[in-house]
Amino acid sequence: EAQVTQNPRYLITVTGKKLTVTCSQNMNHEYMSWYRQDPGLGLRQIYYSMNVEVTDKGDVPEGYKVSRKEKRNFPLILESPSPNQTSLYFCASSLTLSTGGYTFGSGTRLTVV
Amino acid sequence: DQQVKQNSPSLSVQEGRISILNCDYTNSMFDYFLWYKKYPAEGPTFLISISSIKDKNEDGRFTVFLNKSAKHLSLHIVPSQPGDSAVYFCAALYGGATNKLIFGTGTLLAVQP
Repeated sequence: EAQVTQNPRYLITVTGKKLTVTCSQNMNHEYMSWYRQDPGLGLRQIYYSMNVEVTDKGDVPEGYKVSRKEKRNFPLILESPSPNQTSLYFCASSLTLSTGGYTFGSGTRLTVV
Repeated sequence: DQQVKQNSPSLSVQEGRISILNCDYTNSMFDYFLWYKKYPAEGPTFLISISSIKDKNEDGRFTVFLNKSAKHLSLHIVPSQPGDSAVYFCAALYGGATNKLIFGTGTLLAVQP
């Protein structure tokens, strides 16, 4: 089944403790992206990647890192999480954005206390 | 600066009637516009898209209209069904080198049986 898999689905962590949210897609897509969803703000792009070893900042990149060493994986790294990074995170991938946009994962609910 | 705006946070419609969801944008350089649907605890799923050179695209019960002069698009759902109850996101695509997808804040549609 074609899908984007992100883990974990739920995570509660403490301020400053480094964490990684994994994302993997099995569709051989070139484009991958991370979004966060917050009430009243919709989906905001954190980082995106147009191909292996090519990443770029989205609209809200502060406090996040990504890497794209292989086509299928695009992990999101929070080096020192803070409470304002409590959010719902979505990983997404696409072959061509215009014809169908992104295929999204099921989301990761992160709480930083 | 919100480039894609959905000014109605919520909408309630009777089953069988028409649902009209609206979206405004500020940048005339967007190439494509897309609508996504999101159920709780799931990632957004692609619904329908329209090229900036067209003014209408139809897919079953879903029709998207684009008014470029007004920088406005709308999604019509006819007839509305209870299973359509979800959050709907409008998104706009920058093509070219960046290939960036920008989302609106979402509208919660409730279809009453």
